[in-house]
Amino acid sequence: GAGVSQSPSNKVTEKGKDVELRCDPISGHTALYWYRQSLGQGLEFLIYFQGNSAPDKSGLPSDRFSAERTGGSVSTLTIQRTQQEDSAVYLCASSPRTQRAADTQYFGPGTRLTVL
Amino acid sequence: DAKTTQPNSMESNEEEPVHLPCNHSTISGTDYIHWYRQLPSQGPEYVIHGLTSNVNNRMASLAIAEDRKSSTLILHRATLRDAAVYYCILISPGGYNKLIFGAGTRLAVHP
Repeated sequence: GAGVSQSPSNKVTEKGKDVELRCDPISGHTALYWYRQSLGQGLEFLIYFQGNSAPDKSGLPSDRFSAERTGGSVSTLTIQRTQQEDSAVYLCASSPRTQRAADTQYFGPGTRLTVL
Repeated sequence: DAKTTQPNSMESNEEEPVHLPCNHSTISGTDYIHWYRQLPSQGPEYVIHGLTSNVNNRMASLAIAEDRKSSTLILHRATLRDAAVYYCILISPGGYNKLIFGAGTRLAVHP
């Protein structure tokens, strides 16, 4: 079946512009996560959505970052007034959230964001 | 979440077994041990997970120490495609299952 998809695959923007990154999770998965991976850095958690519950935004690095999930499916990560340090690969993952701590997360291919 | 410790890098020859260690001395009784790997230029992918007993699947085996303070991911016959960064991650129940990635172990496989 279809996996997690993300768009665009690459995005080049100028400093100060806003960008939107999209994630389409696996159908039926109620949990959705955003992570990012900066060049030479590890993967860091950004935000988590579970059903209709309030999202866990504890990983967002600044108030320029926001995310929403419409209809419990598609999610959009928005970065306002982009800075060069925002350059990274942004990864989305989804999970069926059926066995909690035993759940597997399925990752998309990522969006590579370059801020000039 | 409890922390894990892994070697920065390991090397193997193709078709040989590979044992990737992970120490997690502060693991709690209910923490699951998950392994993910990230191939070059790809998102992470799930490999295997376990709680107390050893686990096998089509990709690998997971051997968990009796005191659960360490575990080993076993690739029975390494292939060139197994060259990746391998992450050992503990997940506690009741939370959001967010993955806290460490530096992982970079596995090089030589032909």
